[in-house]
Amino acid sequence: GEDVEQSLFLSVREGDSSVINCTYTDSSSTYLYWYKQEPGAGLQLLTYIFSNMDMKQDQRLTVLLNKKDKHLSLRIADTQTGDSAIYFCAESAKGGKLIFGQGTELSVKP
Amino acid sequence: EAGVAQSPRYKIIEKRQSVAFWCNPISGHATLYWYQQILGQGPKLLIQFQNNGVVDDSQLPKDRFSAERLKGVDSTLKIQPAKLEDSAVYLCASSTRAGRGSYEQYFGPGTRLTVT
Repeated sequence: GEDVEQSLFLSVREGDSSVINCTYTDSSSTYLYWYKQEPGAGLQLLTYIFSNMDMKQDQRLTVLLNKKDKHLSLRIADTQTGDSAIYFCAESAKGGKLIFGQGTELSVKP
Repeated sequence: EAGVAQSPRYKIIEKRQSVAFWCNPISGHATLYWYQQILGQGPKLLIQFQNNGVVDDSQLPKDRFSAERLKGVDSTLKIQPAKLEDSAVYLCASSTRAGRGSYEQYFGPGTRLTVT
């Protein structure tokens, strides 16, 4: 079946790099996504990666995909206090729906 | 470009009452999704529309939940009667198309429902 798992919490110091990890089960997922959710807000699409890629960089964000192990990671360079939020990994499933992980709460300490 | 609009933002009702949520997707987006996000969890799809037809409602509790998308634009999600476990944030999202391609889904701010 379709399932996405993430660690629940991550705490880093301002200026450090953050790495948020995710594992998924559906090997037929063609796209994998990272969303950010701030308190009381909807989900903001940060970036996505096509399954035939192993890396994508977008400014401070780097996505790494290990398709063999079904492992996805999001690296945020030079993490700022404004990056504090919950980050969701999601895989695309049949029909286009997204299967989300339970979210990783990132806490950035000054 | 205006984003996905949802109303109301907050709703408190008693169990066994009914409630309705409204969503207006991004103009031109054919596909509309309703997700339920229970506190501490990721969103889970309730129903997906392509224009005004239902693509996937396999996770919709049809004994109490209903949704429609008349004219293929706005959508309404209804719960009748509500249960305590329906307390959640209801998120609406839209995309240009459906399928496994990179059809990015854009989310509205959500409606936070509390059932007492």
